[in-house]
Parts: sequence; C-alpha cells; structure tokens
Amino acid sequence: AQKITQTQPGMFVQEKEAVTLDCTYDTSDQSYGLFWYKQPSSGEMIFLIYQGSYDEQNATEGRYSLNFQKARKSANLVISASQLGDSAMYFCAMREGPGGGFKTIFGAGTRLFVKA
Amino acid sequence: NAGVTQTPKFQVLKTGQSMTLQCAQDMNHNSMYWYRQDPGMGLRLIYYSASEGTTDKGEVPNGYNVSRLNKREFSLRLESAAPSQTSVYFCASSEFPGDGGDTQYFGPGTRLTVL
Repeated sequence: AQKITQTQPGMFVQEKEAVTLDCTYDTSDQSYGLFWYKQPSSGEMIFLIYQGSYDEQNATEGRYSLNFQKARKSANLVISASQLGDSAMYFCAMREGPGGGFKTIFGAGTRLFVKA
Repeated sequence: NAGVTQTPKFQVLKTGQSMTLQCAQDMNHNSMYWYRQDPGMGLRLIYYSASEGTTDKGEVPNGYNVSRLNKREFSLRLESAAPSQTSVYFCASSEFPGDGGDTQYFGPGTRLTVL
C-alpha cells in the first residue's frame, strides 16, 4: 500500500500567488514525522519544513507552512507569495516510528511551475 | 562545514562491473542513509545505518551492500552492476536515530549509468 500520496504530478501558479501542494499519508504509528523537500533542476534535495505527529500547531518556515490535518492524514505544503525560484519538484516524506522501523518514505513528488 | 559529500558525482559502468559510492558527513550525525532516485520518481531507501556499527535494509536493498566505516562515512557497493541500477544515488544523514523528528540532510547525489 502506498504510504505517501502526492496526487498532483504538476502544478502551475502565478508569481506572487499562494499555492498548496497536497500530501496524504498512511501509518499506524502514533509517533511519526512529516517533511517537505524541494528539488530544483540542479538536483540537490533541500529540506523545507518539518511537522511532528504530536505537534499541535502547524509548522511554518518563512513562506512555507504545513497544513497538518491529523485525522485526515494530510500534510499539505502551502507556499505563500510564490517566486520564480520556487519552480522545482517538491517531495513529501514521512519518517515512521517504531512500527515502521524508523524508515523515511517519499512520495512521487509534485512539479511546481511558477509563471511570471 | 561541508555537510554531506559524495564521490564520485558521475559514473558510467558496464554490466557486471563493481564500484563503491562514498559518502561522508561532518555534522557528527548518528544516522546515515542511501537512497536511489529513478527518473520521475521519489527517493527509495536502499540501506540505512541508525548508528555506527549497525546497518539495516531499506525498501530496495537487492544488489547492494553497505559499510558504515566510522561515524562519518557510509559507503554503498554495487558488486555486479546491472542496467536496472542506473539511477541517481543520494546519501543523507540525520542527528538522531529512532526519532520521528530528525531531519535528513542530503548530499549532492551521484549519477550512475550502467550500460
């Protein structure tokens, strides 16, 4: 069963607008972590934001926020005020707890295109 | 502070050849990981090492071996390369084992082609 699902293969957004990238996950662990990474065309993996399963507040890091809805098992990334440099692949990942052997699983990614 | 470094950056092998991908981190992290990324896909875990002296299989371990040489270094070996192993290989490290919240930091990747 797929544990991380990113249903949007590609997304377009106008510069300066906000965009939401979807991520749903599946785990039976109570303790887990959710991450978002950015992969620009140069290929490196850049950590953006982290949300712990016990964190009650949604995580924020500058223009990035994570909309965490635990009951729905979703962890959507919101990018506010999009910039041209935000054009990249975005991966959602989940670090499972003891039940999952503490492994990290990545989704297939969403490619974001920011239009000028 | 270089973070996570990987060598080589690019490699072309013939089927059946062997090679070792090297990874080192200078962040004093306990855990290290090897992933592969195939075109248009996310990363898949090959092997990981939760702490010095331990290694465990990930999602796609077949055809690979690893060595955690010391706390800093974690190598990935292909004993007999196959075209199906053509991929980009990423090494990563994180501070804590077993904590859902430990962020992984990635190296720049090695692009491997097996002919």
